[in-house]
Amino acid sequence: NAGVTQTPKFRILKIGQSMTLQCTQDMNHNYMYWYRQDPGMGLKLIYYSVGAGITDKGEVPNGYNVSRSTTEDFPLRLELAAPSQTSVYFCASSTPGFGNSPLHFGNGTRLTVT
Amino acid sequence: AQTVTQSQPEMSVQEAETVTLSCTYDTSESNYYLFWYKQPPSRQMILVIRQEAYKQQNATENRFSVNFQKAAKSFSLKISDSQLGDTAMYFCAFMKHVTQGAQKLVFGQGTRLTINP
Repeated sequence: NAGVTQTPKFRILKIGQSMTLQCTQDMNHNYMYWYRQDPGMGLKLIYYSVGAGITDKGEVPNGYNVSRSTTEDFPLRLELAAPSQTSVYFCASSTPGFGNSPLHFGNGTRLTVT
Repeated sequence: AQTVTQSQPEMSVQEAETVTLSCTYDTSESNYYLFWYKQPPSRQMILVIRQEAYKQQNATENRFSVNFQKAAKSFSLKISDSQLGDTAMYFCAFMKHVTQGAQKLVFGQGTRLTINP
């Protein structure tokens, strides 16, 4: 099993450009999450989804959009890239079960906005 | 709002020594989980150990153990017989319900641990 796959691994954007970070999982997990990790910091939740067609905001949703049309895919869209969005982005997934279902993380996408 | 604080930005020990990483948190919830994650230079997030707040017994996983002090809201990680492969960033995290069973992790700032040969 591949687990959680994120593409691309690295990307450099100019201010104002847009892009989509892809995330797919093959574990049939209901729940999927997007986190960002700023340099020297822990991860912060951007958006999450409890199933296809259902998404909700996390701590830091401004400047991002998500969609969940299938169980497997949970893309994150940046519409107008800003330097403050320079970060490493992690996608994660889990099954239901408070605390008993650990998050499975992808390997991250390093995004630089200049 | 829940917060997680790791007061040691960096630590360094010799191989085979024991090291303890500190974590404190703040919450008004009664049921929650606490975690330690390891992030090596590969950037992968690896679950090290977890603790349910209702369980008094401290969790252990091989060389890794925790000291969970619920009243003090403290959750430290002890690594025994440290190995070079333990070199990584370590994050303490608090888990709360969000909605419909989804789980939100709140992370501390991390502790960079270096194991020296």
